[in-house]
Amino acid sequence: DGGITQSPKYLFRKEGQNVTLSCEQNLNHDAMYWYRQDPGQGLRLIYYSQIVNDFQKGDIAEGYSVSREKKESFPLTVTSAQKNPTAFYLCASSSLDYNADTQYFGPGTRLTVL
Amino acid sequence: QKEVEQDPGPLSVPEGAIVSLNCTYSNSAFQYFMWYRQYSRKGPELLMYTYSSGNKEDGRFTAQVDKSSKYISLFIRDSQPSDSATYLCAMSAGGGKLIFGQGTELSVKP
Repeated sequence: DGGITQSPKYLFRKEGQNVTLSCEQNLNHDAMYWYRQDPGQGLRLIYYSQIVNDFQKGDIAEGYSVSREKKESFPLTVTSAQKNPTAFYLCASSSLDYNADTQYFGPGTRLTVL
Repeated sequence: QKEVEQDPGPLSVPEGAIVSLNCTYSNSAFQYFMWYRQYSRKGPELLMYTYSSGNKEDGRFTAQVDKSSKYISLFIRDSQPSDSATYLCAMSAGGGKLIFGQGTELSVKP
């Protein structure tokens, strides 16, 4: 089955810790994205990447970091510098060849800071 | 003012009703318009994709775009309890960067 997987589904972090969220896709999509969703709010873009070894900051990149070493993978690290990290994190991907603005989402990771 | 405004609801309707969900936007450069459905604690799934102005129909769902009024709508006919979810509008000027509305929570009562 083609799709996007995210792990873990739930993640708990102590204050001061860095944590890494995994995102993998087997859709052969060039572009990948990370969003944050807070209750009652839409999705806000954290980082995106359109090609391996290159990525761009979104609207709320502070306190986050990413890497894109493989086309299929786009992990997100939530660092201790992120002051309010409790949220639902969503990874998405899209083709750049066809309907580049049509993004497909993974199931999400819910991060809670203890 | 936000680039995309969406009434957060919640919206509650009886089964079989016609549902109208709406978004307004301020950026006239937006050309691509999408509606996503998100069930509780799940990732959004793409429902409808429309380029520029006009209507698009897919089964019980119809998407409308009025660029002159900067207004988009999603209509759901013969609504079902399984349609209960949060509906997110999204739009883009191209290049893959989407701007999302805050989502409308819909509940369809049997």
